[in-house]
Amino acid sequence: DAGVTQSPTHLIKTRGQQVTLRCSPKSGHDTVSWYQQALGQGPQFIFQYYEEEERQRGNFPDRFSGHQFPNYSSELNVNALLLGDSALYLCASSLWGTINNEQFFGPGTRLTVL
Amino acid sequence: AQSVTQLDSQVPVFEEAPVELRCNYSSSVSVYLFWYVQYPNQGLQLLLKYLSGSTLVKGINGFEAEFNKSQTSFHLRKPSVHISDTAEYFCAVSGQGGGNKLTFGTGTQLKVEL
Repeated sequence: DAGVTQSPTHLIKTRGQQVTLRCSPKSGHDTVSWYQQALGQGPQFIFQYYEEEERQRGNFPDRFSGHQFPNYSSELNVNALLLGDSALYLCASSLWGTINNEQFFGPGTRLTVL
Repeated sequence: AQSVTQLDSQVPVFEEAPVELRCNYSSSVSVYLFWYVQYPNQGLQLLLKYLSGSTLVKGINGFEAEFNKSQTSFHLRKPSVHISDTAEYFCAVSGQGGGNKLTFGTGTQLKVEL
């Protein structure tokens, strides 16, 4: 049973560019959440997708957008990259409506903005 | 809204010694509590979780945590650490119910020395 997978593993971009990160949830999960983890910090919630709709959003600007596909996989898009967007981006999957709300995390995508 | 405070950014400890990593939380609603571990260049792995019931929760790798509602704490403990426990540990909280986002603390770096 494959866990949460993310691609690419590493990415280097320059300021002003756009980037797309991808996530496939754990088998049987239908909900995907994205987190940003800056160096030396805890993960910060970006947003969550269920049934192809954004259900919750953290305190991130509109430059951060996402999408969920019918197969439950998800993309995170960041426009007009800033140096401060350099971070580890983590995807987590879960099953909507379960009481325990256990989220399974992928290995992350390390984004470096130069 | 919820918040998490991890008071210790770094905790050095000798191998086979006991350790306690502290976590305090703030929330206006009932919460679920989690501890995650992150090894270098990896994603997050769930150590244990408190949902309800017994306030003493046992997790993987010999870790346990105790939920104290009056002190709003959820400290992580291990009676005897191993070199392989060297990692970053994150305490997290979510509102009860499915689909709720995780709010993380800033993490505690546990360094186990010989």
